[in-house]
Amino acid sequence: GESVGLHLPTLSVQEGDNSIINCAYSNSASDYFIWYKQESGKGPQFIIDIRSNMDKRQGQRVTVLLNKTVKHLSLQIAATQPGDSAVYFCAESPQGGSYIPTFGRGTSLIVHP
Amino acid sequence: DVKVTQSSRYLVKRTGEKVFLECVQDMDHENMFWYRQDPGLGLRLIYFSYDVKMKEKGDIPEGYSVSREKKERFSLILESASTNQTSMYLCASSILGMIREKLFFGSGTQLSVL
Repeated sequence: GESVGLHLPTLSVQEGDNSIINCAYSNSASDYFIWYKQESGKGPQFIIDIRSNMDKRQGQRVTVLLNKTVKHLSLQIAATQPGDSAVYFCAESPQGGSYIPTFGRGTSLIVHP
Repeated sequence: DVKVTQSSRYLVKRTGEKVFLECVQDMDHENMFWYRQDPGLGLRLIYFSYDVKMKEKGDIPEGYSVSREKKERFSLILESASTNQTSMYLCASSILGMIREKLFFGSGTQLSVL
């Protein structure tokens, strides 16, 4: 999952497996969370979001889980495909203030055929 | 689809040069942002703007300035480039009232300062 330090956390999976990417957020006031996917040579792209009044939200092959008690967010990708290989960022946004989201350091997902 | 276009994919400049990074969006978005991306550090906000001629500092504004003379264009300026400003720069936009939701990013400008 996302962590301190300059090394990008990496998750390697086999094609067809399920992937779980973790993110620990720091601001108790954050009430909105987004996952972005960044493919090589491209800018980040929105995948899915969740608000703090929910614990789980599902999209197409992706599920985001939110545990407010321990300030933890996860992105689950079902039946991972080579096209899922990318860097994944979580972003948290506090209620109030500028609302500008703060991004995590990212996790590199590598899918092996 | 929203398109956010950054004028250069790669840029090489010398220390002390004044550098302009340009960004244009075509969806009439009010909010625009400049981030820098460094390996292992994620995306850090430099400046953002929620309207023409309006600008707000982000987390790391030192050494940078911005200009927003037209709604669709947001420029990042490095007044005197330094080697520690070598980085990937990402521009993004979003709809007014949704400043924190669903940012649309450009493909980035990889700036090397020698």
